Amino acid sequence: AQSVSQHNHHVILSEAASLELGCNYSYGGTVNLFWYVQYPGQHLQLLLKYFSGDPLVKGIKGFEAEFIKSKFSFNLRKPSVQWSDTAEYFCAVPPGWNRDDKIIFGKGTRLHILP
Amino acid sequence: DAGVIQSPRHEVTEMGQEVTLRCKPISGHNSLFWYRQTMMRGLELLIYFNNNVPIDDSGMPEDRFSAKMPNASFSTLKIQPSEPRDSAVYFCASSLDLGAGYGYTFGSGTRLTVV
Repeated sequence: AQSVSQHNHHVILSEAASLELGCNYSYGGTVNLFWYVQYPGQHLQLLLKYFSGDPLVKGIKGFEAEFIKSKFSFNLRKPSVQWSDTAEYFCAVPPGWNRDDKIIFGKGTRLHILP
Repeated sequence: DAGVIQSPRHEVTEMGQEVTLRCKPISGHNSLFWYRQTMMRGLELLIYFNNNVPIDDSGMPEDRFSAKMPNASFSTLKIQPSEPRDSAVYFCASSLDLGAGYGYTFGSGTRLTVV
């Protein structure tokens, strides 16, 4: 079954720095891909999703992610982070080819922004 | 739309007591998921339902845990008897179909403390 890996468990940046969080899934093909964000003490919220079309996806709060099929990757980026971006970020993908399936979450990346 | 509604928000109970967590999914969503989140183990899928039927309960840690979905607008997760290691935040999420085509909407969670 499909699996998803987030290699960075904890990232610390200063405000205004650029951000890139890695997400890799285990095999290629056409997949639906998601990024979720969990702010401290809150629940997971959808940040952005990719289903098809333009591989560069724009999300809320200035985030974007690029689907690179050849690298099995869906990395999350933001050109200039803010202190309010401190949160945990989860990448998610369905476990198989069936788009009518549940989604599985990576282990998350904790992002800490220094003011 | 009121979103996914969970109750209570916080629950403190003594070891050995029965605990019932409640969830109301978004109207029209036909899949419901129960997750547990701790610092040590991260986000764990416990059980999920599709059209009120339990599909996979392999994530339920022990027989002390049980979940029901008597109708499309209500689900419960019960722990009997509770133990200190059950302390965690329990999230409920709902989606259209199983979520791969849409993503999940999460409730605000129930923070359970067993003393």
